[in-house]
Amino acid sequence: EPEVTQTPSHQVTQMGQEVILRCVPISNHLYFYWYRQILGQKVEFLVSFYNNEISEKSEIFDDQFSVERPDGSNFTLKIRSTKLEDSAMYFCASSTRKFTPQHFGDGTRLSIL
Amino acid sequence: GQQLNQSPQSMFIQEGEDVSMNCTSSSIFNTWLWYKQDPGEGPVLLIALYKAGELTSNGRLTAQFGITRKDSFLNISASIPSDVGIYFCAGQGVSRDDKIIFGKGTRLHILP
Repeated sequence: EPEVTQTPSHQVTQMGQEVILRCVPISNHLYFYWYRQILGQKVEFLVSFYNNEISEKSEIFDDQFSVERPDGSNFTLKIRSTKLEDSAMYFCASSTRKFTPQHFGDGTRLSIL
Repeated sequence: GQQLNQSPQSMFIQEGEDVSMNCTSSSIFNTWLWYKQDPGEGPVLLIALYKAGELTSNGRLTAQFGITRKDSFLNISASIPSDVGIYFCAGQGVSRDDKIIFGKGTRLHILP
């Protein structure tokens, strides 16, 4: 069964550094998402992306964050200058159409030192 | 913002027992979703519900979309050890948005 893949599985970065988290969504999916889960808490929506632009973002997704689809397969989340509170699991998800169930990757654990 | 109240927060049951958990919201949703998350992995979709009143099964799992569109339940029958994990309810599709709002999860423990 096709799946969403994310790399790396674990990223350790110094505070203030830039990080790029990578995702390969399911190939025929058109809608892409990033979610965040702080340890022990619920999964929170960050941003949705369709047709090469952001369609919605949450209040968490401030100017430090950006997303990009640099080619036909990858979908990236960039955090420009990481803060300690950015430490979390970051999940990528994709869906075929709007309002269809989203399928999640296994996440990237981001640890900020 | 939109909140989902999921209960119970955790459950300790004996293998073979049935399990029931539910979710309520102050907002209506167009879709209710149930996900399971194992340690170190992403949420895996178990059941998706699209219509008020809909009752859907997936093996030993059964979920219903409440008639008011503000609640849903998930039942697991005859629990087995691999059912251990965190179960999240999620609402999707309020007005024109399709982001998923997750509940805080129900952590299921199965006693030997």
